[in-house]
Amino acid sequence: GDKVKQSPSALSLQEGTNSALRCNFSIAATTVQWFLQNPRGSLINLFYLVPGTKENGRLKSTFNSKESYSTLHIRDAQLEDSGTYFCAAEGYTGGLSGKLTFGEGTQVTVIS
Amino acid sequence: EAAVTQSPRSKVAVTGGKVTLSCHQTNNHDYMYWYRQDTGHGLRLIHYSYVADSTEKGDIPDGYKASRPSQENFSLILELASLSQTAVYFCASSGLGVYEQYFGPGTRLTVL
Repeated sequence: GDKVKQSPSALSLQEGTNSALRCNFSIAATTVQWFLQNPRGSLINLFYLVPGTKENGRLKSTFNSKESYSTLHIRDAQLEDSGTYFCAAEGYTGGLSGKLTFGEGTQVTVIS
Repeated sequence: EAAVTQSPRSKVAVTGGKVTLSCHQTNNHDYMYWYRQDTGHGLRLIHYSYVADSTEKGDIPDGYKASRPSQENFSLILELASLSQTAVYFCASSGLGVYEQYFGPGTRLTVL
């Protein structure tokens, strides 16, 4: 639910433009993962983050644990970037579990 | 080659019937997870396991059982299926320490 809040809930992007998605956490997140659920329903792992920044092609993600947020930047959007983007946080549980809490997702539509 | 597979890919069950969903991974991962996704929402953790012959409750375990007979296999069991359990079910696996999760293709379950 609101433990991981994603914004915006939906986004329409012109091909070739840039945009940013955001996740705010009300739990003490230790790691963050970003996934893309494509139109066929498959979940693709984009990033696994400890506090810091990672970049992969046209995607860049930052996790700031002190301020409890993460961002995903899409540069030069392409049609194949369309889908629903989920962030998920692993909260501190006092032990090792890998338990993730998911946000509700941002639905991204790239238009030509 | 898909490293996390699920069977069946879709199933129609009757209310009160027993349903077993199966997951197999070839990632040599210690951790396995079962999530459900309701239409238009994020994923919620049902059960997970970090070693064969042991399972742990996730955030929404009521109405579900899990079984981990081997490192590679993890099943989700609905003893008495109910209408509210209509959803898409995803299995995932991750290693120990770095809990980057890799998902199967999902099983669409419809309970009538």
